[in-house]
Amino acid sequence: DTGVSQNPRHKITKRGQNVTFRCDPISEHNRLYWYRQTLGQGPEFLTYFQNEAQLEKSRLLSDRFSAERPKGSFSTLEIQRTEQGDSAMYLCASSGRVAGNTIYFGEGSWLTVV
Amino acid sequence: SQKIEQNSEALNIQEGKTATLTCNYTNYSPAYLQWYRQDPGRGPVFLLLIRENEKEKRKERLKVTFDTTLKQSLFHITASQPADSATYLCALGGSYIPTFGRGTSLIVHP
Repeated sequence: DTGVSQNPRHKITKRGQNVTFRCDPISEHNRLYWYRQTLGQGPEFLTYFQNEAQLEKSRLLSDRFSAERPKGSFSTLEIQRTEQGDSAMYLCASSGRVAGNTIYFGEGSWLTVV
Repeated sequence: SQKIEQNSEALNIQEGKTATLTCNYTNYSPAYLQWYRQDPGRGPVFLLLIRENEKEKRKERLKVTFDTTLKQSLFHITASQPADSATYLCALGGSYIPTFGRGTSLIVHP
């Protein structure tokens, strides 16, 4: 068990560019989550997968954001046409049957849009 | 709408004392509540989970209480140490997707 892995850890991009983050969950976990966190705030839910199915998506999530989890393993979160307001830490978490309701986070991917 | 309140002001205490952090919620009937620790620039780390039918849970120097009538959870760290300095987040859930509060910063002074 190597924990949840996220890449890249830091990304600086110009406004209008597209960025993609990758998350590798804990291997036996079938549930995967993306959250976003800005300074001084708690993690804000973005989207949730069970295996390869995207079961829930926040209503606050702009259509510039898309997430995938092909084959129910790793996941990617893409942000198109980035805006300065997208600057945040993007957190991936995973959980599974043994973990129950507990979700385990990765170290996050910091995005700075300039 | 659902609201989770954690004190936005940092809690400063002296080493060796007990730290008590509060999580209040409204318009919510969570099946469970969790506490996480977050260090600057890092992802949250799970500490404890307590279910709606449990009043109290302990783990080493940590204790969590859950009062569904008051809609409140208290998180205690006994014999606090400077290494306990971090932000502590509470998270409520009814299903598989927990909702997080903004966290309270704890600073333990030597």
